[in-house]
Amino acid sequence: SQQGEEDPQALSIQEGENATMNCSYKTSINNLQWYRQNSGRGLVHLILIRSNEREKHSGRLRVTLDTSKKSSSLLITASRAADTASYFCATDRRGNTPLVFGKGTRLSVIA
Amino acid sequence: EPEVTQTPSHQVTQMGQEVILRCVPISNHLYFYWYRQILGQKVEFLVSFYNNEISEKSEIFDDQFSVERPDGSNFTLKIRSTKLEDSAMYFCASRDRPEAFFGQGTRLTVV
Repeated sequence: SQQGEEDPQALSIQEGENATMNCSYKTSINNLQWYRQNSGRGLVHLILIRSNEREKHSGRLRVTLDTSKKSSSLLITASRAADTASYFCATDRRGNTPLVFGKGTRLSVIA
Repeated sequence: EPEVTQTPSHQVTQMGQEVILRCVPISNHLYFYWYRQILGQKVEFLVSFYNNEISEKSEIFDDQFSVERPDGSNFTLKIRSTKLEDSAMYFCASRDRPEAFFGQGTRLTVV
């Protein structure tokens, strides 16, 4: 299976701190994506990084990809209470193939 | 902004009953998916649908499950004879590029 596995499973930080979540996967990929899920809600796409990219930024988000280690990290800088959610990485074999999700990291940002 | 809509938001059904979960994907998207998430656990792929046929399915998607795009806008998931273990959030997603758009989900409870 190519599924991603995130760690940590849960992370609790103070508002203003940075949050780092990691993801590992098993097979070759076309791209890796990060999604956010508020409790009981649908998944919302955050950022995508292609297999030939090493780092990408979007606002307070920074994602890195190391294909040699089959791993990715998501950094949320200057976290806010509103960032409290679960964060999932998802791998894509070749675009439009089913995304395979990891187990997610539950992030709690305490005001 | 276009969105994927799912109905109903909650469904309670007796074990052994048939249920149909409905989704309206984003109109110009060509790829459609169903995922499920058992409470607090990972998001699991069920089935993908393209060009009016199933393009890929997981081991979970057995003979009890079927999908249909009856009228060019709706995309349905049918569970023929529900089991207790089918209780989960079911998410529909659509895409026309690598990023997927998810609906808010249907919470299915089998009693």
